[in-house]
Amino acid sequence: KNEVEQSPQNLTAQEGEFITINCSYSVGISALHWLQQHPGGGIVSLFMLSSGKKKHGRLIATINIQEKHSSLHITASHPRDSAVYICAAVLLIAGGTSYGKLTFGQGTILTVHP
Amino acid sequence: DGGITQSPKYLFRKEGQNVTLSCEQNLNHDAMYWYRQDPGQGLRLIYYSQIVNDFQKGDIAEGYSVSREKKESFPLTVTSAQKNPTAFYLCASSFGGPQVVQYFGPGTRLLVL
Repeated sequence: KNEVEQSPQNLTAQEGEFITINCSYSVGISALHWLQQHPGGGIVSLFMLSSGKKKHGRLIATINIQEKHSSLHITASHPRDSAVYICAAVLLIAGGTSYGKLTFGQGTILTVHP
Repeated sequence: DGGITQSPKYLFRKEGQNVTLSCEQNLNHDAMYWYRQDPGQGLRLIYYSQIVNDFQKGDIAEGYSVSREKKESFPLTVTSAQKNPTAFYLCASSFGGPQVVQYFGPGTRLLVL
């Protein structure tokens, strides 16, 4: 079982719909990242968070440390949001210290139709 | 413009051949990383370097080698010992520490002839 799990694996939506992608992890973390991968392969960092909630435009990311769960929301989705969304965590290791090594979820393929 | 460049975009390897993937950054980042992406799987860490002249193995280092002679550069060599090298390879960099954003290069797709 992966230490970082995403759901759903595939998501199809109509333009304008509210979208939620979920990420759960099984061990303690020091930070969680949400990334966007475009069809050409390039990856862009959307958010890095260790608590609470962050918002950027139509994107909102939340994290619940106690429940070991994070969500990425897209409001008023648009076809240009179609991409693979990846969550990645910096796992805590023995001794409680960690570096910037990321453990990745499998990704969620989002397709938004006009 | 600051950023990370990877070259080439596509690379072909013959059986038994070593190939080197380039990664350069001008962001003044201390840390650099190499990831491998296979279809249907999450990215996996091959090697990472926190500082010049130092690097550590990641989760899937077998069949790969790296060097970090300059802060800006972190080349990855896929050796003939890597039996299944066909994949998409991504380089990333960041300032040091566990709570920093990683910036990714555009990737190199390696194919075996």
